[in-house]
Amino acid sequence: EVQLVESGGGLVKPGGSLRLSCAASGFTFNTAWMRWARQAPGKGLEWVGLIRSKIDGESSNYAAPVRGRFTISRDDSQNMMYLQMNSLRTEDTAVYYCTTDGGGRHGELAHWGQGTLVTVSP
Amino acid sequence: DIQMTQSPSTLSASVGDRVTITCRASQSIGTWLAWYQQKPGKAPRLLIYQASSLESGVPSRFSGSGSGTEFTLTISSLQPDDFATYYCQDYTRFYTFGQGTKLEIK
Repeated sequence: EVQLVESGGGLVKPGGSLRLSCAASGFTFNTAWMRWARQAPGKGLEWVGLIRSKIDGESSNYAAPVRGRFTISRDDSQNMMYLQMNSLRTEDTAVYYCTTDGGGRHGELAHWGQGTLVTVSP
Repeated sequence: DIQMTQSPSTLSASVGDRVTITCRASQSIGTWLAWYQQKPGKAPRLLIYQASSLESGVPSRFSGSGSGTEFTLTISSLQPDDFATYYCQDYTRFYTFGQGTKLEIK
């Protein structure tokens, strides 16, 4: 069974930094493209970014609102993905989800974690 | 970036009704379109992928159609468990979500 468990959320002041983690199990992590999505309170889903597998170059892409401030990385030896968030703004307040197609698919997000809440407030 | 526009934003319906939600892309995305269901406080659940393929374990009353820029999600006979918010998503390069359609009990 695929499991994705996020951690690291919390309260941070504007301009601050936070690192989220996603622990993955139940699939071949090192071949899967991994993604982050978020959902502000009472709002819709928003894609944050993705990181490709090592064999596909381990490159990453980001949504415009977070580009240059957020960085996604992965540690295939630990089946972990990370989201480093810098220069946080109040509008970054959201539940952050780790998500993946599980590998061998085309990008449809079949698996999601339970989410971790990030609150950016003075 | 691709824009995804869903309609309606809110839909009121009764158990047993047939309902359709529309999603329009600002440029052609082929059939790289997924539909998700989300209930309050829960993570989204994949229902449909590649515009019309039913995800394993999803009831057959859900169906999807379309290609290019116009897509639909149809629920053939609403069940009490189906009242939720539905999102479409392009997964070409930008992975943009639609703004959501809240399906409410009439």
